Amino acid sequence: KAGVTQTPRYLIKTRGQQVTLSCSPISGHRSVSWYQQTPGQGLQFLFEYFSETQRNKGNFPGRFSGRQFSNSRSEMNVSTLELGDSALYLCASSRTSGGLNEQFFGPGTRLTVL
Amino acid sequence: EDQVTQSPEALRLQEGESSSLNCSYTASGLRGLFWYRQDPGKGPEFLFTLYSAGEEKEKERLKATLTKKESFLHITAPKPEDSATYLCAVQLNAGGTSYGKLTFGQGTILTVHP
Repeated sequence: KAGVTQTPRYLIKTRGQQVTLSCSPISGHRSVSWYQQTPGQGLQFLFEYFSETQRNKGNFPGRFSGRQFSNSRSEMNVSTLELGDSALYLCASSRTSGGLNEQFFGPGTRLTVL
Repeated sequence: EDQVTQSPEALRLQEGESSSLNCSYTASGLRGLFWYRQDPGKGPEFLFTLYSAGEEKEKERLKATLTKKESFLHITAPKPEDSATYLCAVQLNAGGTSYGKLTFGQGTILTVHP
């Protein structure tokens, strides 16, 4: 069974630009969660999508947004990039949204903002 | 704010030297506690789910246990290939605010020397 895939794996952008990251969940998984990982803050929850609906959102500014498509693939977008947005962005998929939520992570997208 | 604390921050072991990693959490209403392994530049790899006090799970040289507010990851006779960052995460029983959200500890960096 194929795992979670994320594209692109690496991105370099400059301040003020915007970026879109993509995540394809494990087949049959309908929930996709996004996390930001930095050395200082560790892994922090951004948001979760299930059946094309955002069901939960973490404590991040509105510049961070996402969506989910009918095939459960998800994208996240960051607008007006800041230097502090440099991080590893991870997506994780799970079968369901409520209930025990075993999440399986992709390899991440490494974003560098210059 | 709900917290997950892992200790020690870093652990150096000789090959074959058994030890334990600790994860404690402050929140009430635990739905599940998860252990992950993360290698440099990669996404976290799922290891175990625990959801009731007294539960134990084993996989090769690893055994995870759960008490009321703590979990331990025991590593028996570790090998150099067990070197990685071990992350603990909790999912709370908090209705909509817990959908798809795992709260992570900062991790324990394990180094096993041959």
